[in-house]
Amino acid sequence: TQLLEQSPQFLSIQEGENLTVYCNSSSVFSSLQWYRQEPGEGPVLLVTVVTGGEVKKLKRLTFQFGDARKDSSLHITAAQPGDTGLYLCAGARAAGNKLTFGGGTRVLVKP
Amino acid sequence: DAGVIQSPRHEVTEMGQEVTLRCKPISGHNSLFWYRQTMMRGLELLIYFNNNVPIDDSGMPEDRFSAKMPNASFSTLKIQPSEPRDSAVYFCASSRYRDTEAFFGQGTRLTVV
Repeated sequence: TQLLEQSPQFLSIQEGENLTVYCNSSSVFSSLQWYRQEPGEGPVLLVTVVTGGEVKKLKRLTFQFGDARKDSSLHITAAQPGDTGLYLCAGARAAGNKLTFGGGTRVLVKP
Repeated sequence: DAGVIQSPRHEVTEMGQEVTLRCKPISGHNSLFWYRQTMMRGLELLIYFNNNVPIDDSGMPEDRFSAKMPNASFSTLKIQPSEPRDSAVYFCASSRYRDTEAFFGQGTRLTVV
């Protein structure tokens, strides 16, 4: 069992549709990060959230950190083929602790 | 800065051979991580260093795996002897501190036949 559970594991949608992926844990995290990984590349940081209830927007991407800092979600509005990739969440249990990665959600946006 | 640099990008080797993967972290970063990624198991942390000192190697699968960081600008991950089940993409990442943004290299795709 992973400390951070991501769901769904795989998502296939048409261009223009919306999607939400989830990152859940029974543990509290001091901060949580979302990464996107494209084929043949390493993961790249999208955002870091640190405050319970925090919402951050990055163009069509909206990230939310749960009030209890145990879960997070990533919502993509009007998905485009360029959003295709593996989305990974990663959290630190406390400041100074190493990051723990979730299993990832593989997103495919079809034109 | 050129980012985290890994070499080689691809490695194909025969079972039983020694494999050495190399990583140059971003200058000024204090933490360095080695990950292994497969479809079945996702991204697994193998070992991480803080200020060149190994802090947690609990993810290293077996004694066949070893990692060193002789200085702040270089690290190696060695597999000896290699086995087909070691086939995966190996990533090196560095960060300013262990819980801040991790910058990943492009990975080394290892195939053991």
